[in-house]
Amino acid sequence: EVQLVESGGGLVQPGGSLRLSCAASGFTFSGYVVHWVRQAPGKGLEYVSSISTNGDNTFYASSVKGRFTISRDNSKNTLYLQMGSLRAEDMAVYFCARVYYHGVGLYYDYWGQGTLVTVSS
Amino acid sequence: DIQMTQSPSSVSASVGDRVTITCRASQGISSCLAWYQQKPGKAPRLLIYAASSLQSGVPSRFSGSGSGTDFTLTISSLQPEDFATYYCQQGNSVPRTFGQGTKVEIK
Repeated sequence: EVQLVESGGGLVQPGGSLRLSCAASGFTFSGYVVHWVRQAPGKGLEYVSSISTNGDNTFYASSVKGRFTISRDNSKNTLYLQMGSLRAEDMAVYFCARVYYHGVGLYYDYWGQGTLVTVSS
Repeated sequence: DIQMTQSPSSVSASVGDRVTITCRASQGISSCLAWYQQKPGKAPRLLIYAASSLQSGVPSRFSGSGSGTDFTLTISSLQPEDFATYYCQQGNSVPRTFGQGTKVEIK
């Protein structure tokens, strides 16, 4: 059974840092791209960041570029998101989502349950 | 970035009703569109990908259509477990973007 389990969320002050983890199981993690997607309270879904299977290429939404760093450890089947200089607008549930490619399209076929990041003083 | 606009923002319907949700992309995305269902406090669930392909395990009452800029999700006969928020997502261009969601509520 494919599982993605996020952890590391919590309360952090504006300007602070936090590291999220996404532990994968039930599939060959090293062969899949996994993205971070977030959802602010009562709002829609927003792509945050992604990384290639070997970790050589990283991509970020413009809203987090320069503040967040994505990484992965294929030996531990884990994806990470290091978040810094956190702002109120970063407050959200952060999901990791496995990528499914079909033709030229990219979709998300499995999602974790999410971890809540609260930014407040 | 490609903007995805869903309509309506919410719809009230009864069990057994046919429900249609539309999604419009700000530029052509071929058939690179997915639909997700999300219930409160839960992760999104992939229903449809490539505009019209049904994800494994999803009931056949869900169907999708469209290409280019205009897409539709149809629930042929609404069931109690279908009351949720539905999102479209374009899978054609970076960054992947989502619609703002359509909440399907009990009438």
